[in-house]
Amino acid sequence: GQNIDQPTEMTATEGAIVQINCTYQTSGFNGLFWYQQHAGEAPTFLSYNVLDGLEEKGRFSSFLSRSKGYSYLLLKELQMKDSASYLCAVVDSNYQLIWGAGTKLIIKP
Amino acid sequence: SQTIHQWPATLVQPVGSPLSLECTVEGTSNPNLYWYRQAAGRGLQLLFYSVGIGQISSEVPQNLSASRPQDRQFILSSKKLLLSDSGFYLCAWSDRAQGPQHFGDGTRLSIL
Repeated sequence: GQNIDQPTEMTATEGAIVQINCTYQTSGFNGLFWYQQHAGEAPTFLSYNVLDGLEEKGRFSSFLSRSKGYSYLLLKELQMKDSASYLCAVVDSNYQLIWGAGTKLIIKP
Repeated sequence: SQTIHQWPATLVQPVGSPLSLECTVEGTSNPNLYWYRQAAGRGLQLLFYSVGIGQISSEVPQNLSASRPQDRQFILSSKKLLLSDSGFYLCAWSDRAQGPQHFGDGTRLSIL
C-alpha cells in the first residue's frame, strides 16, 4: 500500500528553527509537495521537490532524498503566525496525489 | 491570475436532505478539478477528480456524486445526506496532474 508518515504534533519556540520530517512509501514518485494549513482554513502551497536536494524559499526550505523516501520542511526564524498544520503530499506513478495526515506545529513565545 | 471560488462557506443541513456545493475556477482553461473532504484533525480524503468536462473519477464509494457541466465548474451533490457526511469540503484545481493543487476556501458542512 501507499503510505506517508509525518509526526502528529511538534512544538517550537518563536525565533527558533524547526524541521518537520516526512517519509513515504508510494508506487512510483513524481514529486513531493508541502502545504501549510491554518486551523479552519484551506491548505496553501508552500514548496515542490522532484529532484534530490534543498529548495529554499525565504524562511522556508524543503529537502528531498528520493533514495531514502524522505523529505523535510525547515522553518527558520519562527513567528507566531507559523502555527499551523504542515501537510506532505507525494505524486505517485499514476499522477495521483497521496496526502499525509499533517503535522500540527505549535509555536510558543 | 487564477482564482477559485467555492460556496457556501458554512452549511447546516438535516439528515436526509439533499446537497449541492459549487466550485468555479477563473483565469485558466481545462484545469484538473478535485473535491476533498477533511474530518476534524485529520488529513485530506480525495472524493472525486475530473480532467475534463463530463469526466469524473470517484475515489471513495459513498452517497456523494460530482459533476462537471462546464470546463471550470465542479459540483458536489448528494440526494440524501448522512450524519457521517459532516466535514470540511475543499475544492481544488491544478493545471496538470503533477502540478500543485490550489484550494478554495472550503465549505464547513454540519449534518444535524
